[in-house]
Parts: sequence; C-alpha cells; structure tokens
Amino acid sequence: EVQLVESGGGLVKPGGSLRLSCAASGFTFSRYTMNWVRQAPGKGLEWVSSIESSSTYIHYADSLKGRFTISRDNAKNSLYLQMNSLRADDAAVYYCVYGDGRFDFWGQGTLVTVSS
Amino acid sequence: EIVLTQSPGTLSLSPGERATLSCRASQSVSSSYLSWYQQKPGQAPRLLIYGTSTRATGIPDRFSGSGSGTDFSLTISRLEPEDFAVYYCQQYGNSPLYSFGQGTKVEIK
Repeated sequence: EVQLVESGGGLVKPGGSLRLSCAASGFTFSRYTMNWVRQAPGKGLEWVSSIESSSTYIHYADSLKGRFTISRDNAKNSLYLQMNSLRADDAAVYYCVYGDGRFDFWGQGTLVTVSS
Repeated sequence: EIVLTQSPGTLSLSPGERATLSCRASQSVSSSYLSWYQQKPGQAPRLLIYGTSTRATGIPDRFSGSGSGTDFSLTISRLEPEDFAVYYCQQYGNSPLYSFGQGTKVEIK
C-alpha cells in the first residue's frame, strides 16, 4: 500500500523557517519524481516544487522566489521542503505527492501556519 | 503563463443527474498532460483522470474526460452521493510547470 506521511508543519512567525518532511513507503521511491503542492485555507491547489528521481532536475513555482528548497534522500525514502523567510501567504496545507506530469498519489498533508 | 479557468464555479445538481465541468486554458495544452482531481472536505485530492481521458486506477466509469487544445471537460454521467465534491483540472508542461484551475464545486441541489 502506497503511503506518504508528511510532518514538520506547525506555527511559525513571519520571517521564520520550517522544514517539512515526507516519509514514503509502498513503492520504489527512488524511481519517482516527487512534488510538493499546497492549499491555503479555503482556497485552491498550488504547485510548489518538483524533484526528479535522482535530484538532477528540480523546479519551483516562480512565486517562491528562491525561499524554498526541495530535496530528497532516496536511501531514507524521504522528501523534504526547506522553507525560509516565511510570509503570511505561505500558510497552507502542504501535500507530498508523487507523479510526473500528473499527481498520482497524495499524502494527507501537514498544516503550516504563519502568524506573529 | 498558462491559466486554467474552470466553469461553473458551483454546480447544483441532484443525485442521478449528469454533471459537465469545463476547463479552459489560456493557451494550448498537450492532451497527454491534462488531468482532473476530486477533493472532498478534509481530504487530500485524488487523481481521477489523466491524459485528458484515461481514468486512474479504481475510478468508476461514470467519470469521463474529453477535449483538446484549450477546451477540456469532465463528465459524471450519473451523480452518486459520494461524487459531491470539488473538482480541479491541472496541466503540465507549460510555464509554470504545473498549474491548476480554481476548482468547480459540485453540490447537492
């Protein structure tokens, strides 16, 4: 059974940092492109970042302007998102998703709240 | 930058009725990379359709997708109670790499 379990969300002050993690199981993690997608409260879906299986190709949404860094550890079947200089509009549920060209399977998400 | 516009914003229908959701792109989208997702309250989205018309694993055949170029649609032939949810279209390959429509809510009339 495919499982994607996010962790690391929580309350952070504006300008602060947070590192999200995603533990994957039930599939060959090292073969798949992984992604982060977020959803602000009551809003739609927004793609954040993607990382190809060997970390060679990495893409970000333009709106992030270099504040976020995606990475992965295939030995640990884990995906990460380092988020710096957080702003109020970064508050959202962050989903770990696998898929390339489409989002095949989603974790349940981790909530990030940005507030002073 | 490609923008996906979904219509209507809300669709009010009764169980057993047919639902047709539209997704229009601001520029041409490859049919291979147009997908649809269903999201129920408090849940993560679920892939329904990919490649414009291919149902994902386990998706019932009352869900179908069609379209090309800039106009795509998702049809639910006969609404079941569990189909009332928000539906998103999504494209891959244009700038930005991925983008979503704003969603269509299918609600019980």
